[in-house]
Amino acid sequence: GDSVTQMEGPVTLSEEAFLTINCTYTATGYPSLFWYVQYPGEGLQLLLKATKADDKGSNKGFEATYRKETTSFHLEKGSVQVSDSAVYFCALSDQGGGFKTIFGAGTRLFVKA
Amino acid sequence: DADVTQTPRNRITKTGKRIMLECSQTKGHDRMYWYRQDPGLGLRLIYYSFDVKDINKGEISDGYSVSRQAQAKFSLSLESAIPNQTALYFCATSDLFAGELFFGEGSRLTVL
Repeated sequence: GDSVTQMEGPVTLSEEAFLTINCTYTATGYPSLFWYVQYPGEGLQLLLKATKADDKGSNKGFEATYRKETTSFHLEKGSVQVSDSAVYFCALSDQGGGFKTIFGAGTRLFVKA
Repeated sequence: DADVTQTPRNRITKTGKRIMLECSQTKGHDRMYWYRQDPGLGLRLIYYSFDVKDINKGEISDGYSVSRQAQAKFSLSLESAIPNQTALYFCATSDLFAGELFFGEGSRLTVL
């Protein structure tokens, strides 16, 4: 079945550092890919998405490119801020999976001032 | 007001008690979901509903039941709560075409 694997955390960075959170997926069809973010005490909210190969999703300085050849959707940001401290979830939604959304385990990011 | 509202936000109960978590939405979406979040396990799907007459089991439905009372309301029940059902529960909605999920703020359940 479909699955999502993302790097374990926590990830601790200093402010203005470069961020990469790796995400790879397994899917039977051609899934849409998502990154969600969960700030402390809140529900998840969509950060960015990509619906087909080579698409790049971007939002709030974050970006991720849908790489079908490597089945990856790595999240990057050039300069993190303290306010980016949160848990980040990679996810996919696939017609073959009945359009249910499958989540990775989440990666907690701490950004130090 | 939030588009997806969950009640209660926090609940402590004892083993064997019946618990209901309620979710209501003003998004106008047909699709509603219940997920469970545990540390290190991400979110796992419990049940989902693609319209009022449609209920489907997710990957971890044992010990849970749901009711879709209306397009806007989807409740999750634990008939006889047990300690390993202690978790953070999220309701979510989406529109028809596998798009973005919209989450409530979560219901933290502790079973003693």
